[in-house]
Amino acid sequence: AQSVTQLDSHVSVSEGTPVLLRCNYSSSYSPSLFWYVQHPNKGLQLLLKYTSAATLVKGINGFEAEFKKSETSFHLTKPSAHMSDAAEYFCVGFGNEKLTFGTGTRLTIIP
Amino acid sequence: DSGVTQTPKHLITATGQRVTLRCSPRSGDLSVYWYQQSLDQGLQFLIQYYNGEERAKGNILERFSAQQFPDLHSELNLSSLELGDSALYFCASSVGGSGGAKQFFGPGTRLTVL
Repeated sequence: AQSVTQLDSHVSVSEGTPVLLRCNYSSSYSPSLFWYVQHPNKGLQLLLKYTSAATLVKGINGFEAEFKKSETSFHLTKPSAHMSDAAEYFCVGFGNEKLTFGTGTRLTIIP
Repeated sequence: DSGVTQTPKHLITATGQRVTLRCSPRSGDLSVYWYQQSLDQGLQFLIQYYNGEERAKGNILERFSAQQFPDLHSELNLSSLELGDSALYFCASSVGGSGGAKQFFGPGTRLTVL
């Protein structure tokens, strides 16, 4: 079964500095992986999806994630944080016909 | 706005009661998914319907049931409610039947059981 582990429950960065949200996955098969974002009092929105076509996946709002098989990682990055990026981010795996969500990382942006 | 609507936005009820949550998928989407988000369990997949038929099942309690109607809207029924059922319940929809497709999430229904 596909499972994901988000390594940080909370990340704080200053506005304009890089963002790194870490996710490791475990699977015996080629994984399907996603990053979703949840803004306060809102539903979830898909940021990006790994489809195995390319190891570097570009998403919306300047985010990207790199799939590294040797490290079983799928970390989410953004070169320069914006105040509007403050939200909860979920690394998600797909397996056995269902999405499995990580525990989430709350991103705080310091002005 | 994802195009997925959920009603009601908030629901407050008592233990032992039964409630129904409603979801309307995006126009053209045939799959509807239900998720529960709580502080202790995190985000969990409950169940998926595709074109009226149950497609996949997750950690859904026997006290909970769902269905998808011919017009593709879906309802999640929660009965014999317990305090621990208090959570945010999300509905999502997608075009195809695979849960690995892009899912569009509604704003959620916040259920409080007193």
